[in-house]
Amino acid sequence: GAVVSQHPSRVICKSGTSVKIECRSLDFQATTMFWYRQFPKKSLMLMATSNEGSKATYEQGVEKDKFLINHASLTLSTLTVTSAHPEDSSFYICSARWRGPLSNQPQHFGDGTRLSIL
Amino acid sequence: ILNVEQSPQSLHVQEGDSTNFTCSFPSSNFYALHWYRWETAKSPEALFVMTLNGDEKKKGRISATLNTKEGYSYLYIKGSQPEDSATYLCALSPPNRDDKIIFGKGTRLHILP
Repeated sequence: GAVVSQHPSRVICKSGTSVKIECRSLDFQATTMFWYRQFPKKSLMLMATSNEGSKATYEQGVEKDKFLINHASLTLSTLTVTSAHPEDSSFYICSARWRGPLSNQPQHFGDGTRLSIL
Repeated sequence: ILNVEQSPQSLHVQEGDSTNFTCSFPSSNFYALHWYRWETAKSPEALFVMTLNGDEKKKGRISATLNTKEGYSYLYIKGSQPEDSATYLCALSPPNRDDKIIFGKGTRLHILP
């Protein structure tokens, strides 16, 4: 089946550090990748939709200058949490969808990144 | 704001028993319905994507049904096994953003030996 690799799986760093998370589709081309954040006991919340070769589409309330997304190729999207602070501590997970017709395609997820800002 | 509701939040089932849980969504904002299984320390795994009212899909001991008119989907697990322990996520694709899916909070299933 389709595989999406996300790393790092865990990051612990000091406040003010910028953190980059990578999401790669290993065996398929992904025109669209998605970045989610999960708060404790909450559902996965879509942060932004990353489209290859164009600007990401951010959901309402998500700061684009805080969460920089780059989708430079059909197999790689990155999320950079800039100048991270303790309130940015969370679980971040990416997903990718196969480059094909819309609607019936499931999303393929990475393993997620647990970010802890001290 | 679209709400996808899942119930129950948590469920304990004896090994060998069958079980089911529910996903509810606004029927007026439907394009596709997704079910995922999310085991601890792994990535969410796609189970089913359903688009048509009355759809029924099956994968081994797991099956799902869809009622778009009343806005619900059921997931059934027959003869539960320990490996079925996971969080089962339901997600809705709305018609105006078919690249986007909105997740429910999930049903956490624990299979008791």
